[in-house]
Amino acid sequence: GAVVSQHPSRVICKSGTSVKIECRSLDFQATTMFWYRQFPKQSLMLMATSNEGSKATYEQGVEKDKFLINHASLTLSTLTVTSAHPEDSSFYICSARPQDPSGNTIYFGEGSWLTVV
Amino acid sequence: QKEVEQNSGPLSVPEGAIASLNCTYSDRGSQSFFWYRQYSGKSPELIMFIYSNGDKEDGRFTAQLNKASQYVSLLIRDSQPSDSATYLCAVNGSWGKLQFGAGTQVVVTP
Repeated sequence: GAVVSQHPSRVICKSGTSVKIECRSLDFQATTMFWYRQFPKQSLMLMATSNEGSKATYEQGVEKDKFLINHASLTLSTLTVTSAHPEDSSFYICSARPQDPSGNTIYFGEGSWLTVV
Repeated sequence: QKEVEQNSGPLSVPEGAIASLNCTYSDRGSQSFFWYRQYSGKSPELIMFIYSNGDKEDGRFTAQLNKASQYVSLLIRDSQPSDSATYLCAVNGSWGKLQFGAGTQVVVTP
């Protein structure tokens, strides 16, 4: 199946600093990527939809100035958590939709655990 | 009303039995339906997708879709301990944006 890679898989940062998470589609081009956040024992919550070459679309309640999303190429999207605080500690997961319209499947990255201390 | 609803469980299933998971959705215009499996601390992995009414089988898994009743289900035959996980139902909205249910935890007991 299609492969989506996330990096880093785990990161610990100090409160007030910024951290960047990368999401790459390794064997397909993705015009659209999605960023989710998942707190323990809760479902995936969509944060934003990232479109190559344009601004991301954020879900209601998600601060776009805090969660910066860049989708500079058809295979890479990045999420930067700015001025991180302990309440931002969570499991962040990206997913990518292949550019090929014959399929409608979305593939997930491995996820990134963020701990803010 | 949530857009995608699932029973949270846990659903306890004896090894070798059939696990039956249900999911209902509110958007009648939804066209694509997915089941993902998520192990604790891991990212979801796709099990199956279904677009048309009826049944779709893949190995031990069978997805069933009924658009008129707005539900989609997943059957796991010959359940194994390795099937113990949370199963997420997802429904495709506009621009491929998936709406997820809260997930059903399945526990397969030896």
